[in-house]
Amino acid sequence: GAVVSQHPSRVICKSGTSVKIECRSLDFQATTMFWYRQFPKQSLMLMATSNEGSKATYEQGVEKDKFLINHASLTLSTLTVTSAHPEDSSFYICSAVVWRGSTDTQYFGPGTRLTVL
Amino acid sequence: AQRVTQPEKLLSVFKGAPVELKCNYSYSGSPELFWYVQYSRQRLQLLLRHISRESIKGFTADLNKGETSFHLKKPFAQEEDSAMYYCALRDTGGFKTIFGAGTRLFVKA
Repeated sequence: GAVVSQHPSRVICKSGTSVKIECRSLDFQATTMFWYRQFPKQSLMLMATSNEGSKATYEQGVEKDKFLINHASLTLSTLTVTSAHPEDSSFYICSAVVWRGSTDTQYFGPGTRLTVL
Repeated sequence: AQRVTQPEKLLSVFKGAPVELKCNYSYSGSPELFWYVQYSRQRLQLLLRHISRESIKGFTADLNKGETSFHLKKPFAQEEDSAMYYCALRDTGGFKTIFGAGTRLFVKA
């Protein structure tokens, strides 16, 4: 199956700093990737859809200037949390879409736990 | 509005007992429904989708449009089925996926 990696797996930063999270498709090319966040004991909430070579599409309520997404290649999307605050502490998960024939499947990364002090 | 509801946060059953994880949805179009599973310390992965009409690891799910439900069932639960299960909905032909809150299944020996 397809493998999606995320780096780092966990990060602790000070309030006001920026943090970059990478999402890579290891053995396939992904024109579309998704970024989710998950609060403790809650479901995944879609933040944005990342499309290679174009601007990301953000969900309602997600600040695009705070959560910068760059999908510069077919195997890499990055999420930068700018001027992070404690309320940004969460589990961030990316996924990438793989097409096999007419069927697409989302493969998820292992997630990145962000803690903002 | 699109919504996926999983009414049970936790479901505990004995090994060998039947299990049903409930999922109801609200959607005004023609949705695709999925079940995802997350085993302990592993990433989220697709379990099954309604259009495939398949049985994976003994689990099946039937889309009931009249009741707007997509319950996940298995006749005989196994300990290795213990995991977090998420029901999800997607617009047909689209990419955006809406997840339910999840149900933790615990299968007791």
